Amino acid sequence: ETGVTQSPTHLIKTRGQQVTLRCSSQSGHNTVSWYQQALGQGPQFIFQYYREEENGRGNFPPRFSGLQFPNYSSELNVNALELDDSALYLCASSPSGGGRSGTEAFFGQGTRLTVV
Amino acid sequence: GESVGLHLPTLSVQEGDNSIINCAYSNSASDYFIWYKQESGKGPQFIIDIRSNMDKRQGQRVTVLLNKTVKHLSLQIAATQPGDSAVYFCAENITGRRALTFGSGTRLQVQP
Repeated sequence: ETGVTQSPTHLIKTRGQQVTLRCSSQSGHNTVSWYQQALGQGPQFIFQYYREEENGRGNFPPRFSGLQFPNYSSELNVNALELDDSALYLCASSPSGGGRSGTEAFFGQGTRLTVV
Repeated sequence: GESVGLHLPTLSVQEGDNSIINCAYSNSASDYFIWYKQESGKGPQFIIDIRSNMDKRQGQRVTVLLNKTVKHLSLQIAATQPGDSAVYFCAENITGRRALTFGSGTRLQVQP
């Protein structure tokens, strides 16, 4: 167990709706990253949060947004859901950020989002 | 549980044999590498990491080899067990960048 917990574990939404996914980082970790993993592929970086601010972003549209709270937990919000948003959404926490990288990232079990 | 990696390259080995999983990376600036194991229905699990100033690192039953000349990474698993069956991903990182870049994965199947 990594200590990174995500909720919910499974979710079904309709195209056009909005969704919020949640992540609690491992104790002592102040950096949270979100990844999207389509079936049969490796995870793709969405963005990272450090000290409650977005600290880097991958090639995802603005309808993917996030938050980080003072206790380092995080939310991923996706607006105007599309069928292609169906994927496993993974949260990873790291012990450092804000300029330092190359440290271990520990993943949660993911949230399986299905858009119909 | 769900199936991760329906059409991934597959390595099939007998229980007790050694396994070698390979990964090619493309960015010569990458300086940190991680191997992850992902079982069906779960998130990636950290196995071992290596920095670019090393060419070999050993853990418990696992060894990672890094060849920067040909941009190749391998994961060796000794005495493979049925519990090692999973999809294995290599991930690379560049100091100063936030994202881990993952490879496409290899499915390891251990035959009893």
